[in-house]
Amino acid sequence: AQSVTQLGSHVSVSEGALVLLRCNYSSSVPPYLFWYVQYPNQGLQLLLKYTSAATLVKGINGFEAEFKKSETSFHLTKPSAHMSDAAEYFCAVSGRNNDMRFGAGTRLTVKP
Amino acid sequence: GAGVSQTPSNKVTEKGKYVELRCDPISGHTALYWYRQSLGQGPEFLIYFQGTGAADDSGLPNDRFFAVRPEGSVSTLKIQRTERGDSAVYLCASSFRASEKLFFGSGTQLSVL
Repeated sequence: AQSVTQLGSHVSVSEGALVLLRCNYSSSVPPYLFWYVQYPNQGLQLLLKYTSAATLVKGINGFEAEFKKSETSFHLTKPSAHMSDAAEYFCAVSGRNNDMRFGAGTRLTVKP
Repeated sequence: GAGVSQTPSNKVTEKGKYVELRCDPISGHTALYWYRQSLGQGPEFLIYFQGTGAADDSGLPNDRFFAVRPEGSVSTLKIQRTERGDSAVYLCASSFRASEKLFFGSGTQLSVL
């Protein structure tokens, strides 16, 4: 089955700094890739989705992710962090069977 | 309803008991997923339905776990002979089609004492 690995369970950045959350995938077929966010005491919400139409995907709240097949990566970035970005971020992959598998998550802390 | 509804929101049971967790997906969504999430972990895939059939149940941890979706809408996750290790938040999600955006419910917090 396909899988994703998120590098770094915790990432801390200063407000205004670049956010980079790493995700590598494993899939035997061209994957669909997703980033979801979970704010404290809330359910998971979709940030963005890659479906092969374009390698650079823009999502909500200024986030974007780039699909790099050669590196099997789908890293999430945001040029300037806001305090409100503090949350848990999950990378997910859907493959041949259309089942959706999630990574272990990265907790983002934003320091003032 | 407007979103994915899960009931109950909290369930406390004793070791060895049987529990049922219900998921009511968004109307018209053909795909339905069950996940289990422990504190500090990502959602762990359990089972995925396309319509009434389980398209992939490879995530069910053992034969104590079973799920049904008899009419292609509401789904029930059934856990027999519960163990303390089953304690977690059980999440349900649905999507209009497979591999599209998932809409998550608020989850059922299961506590096995």
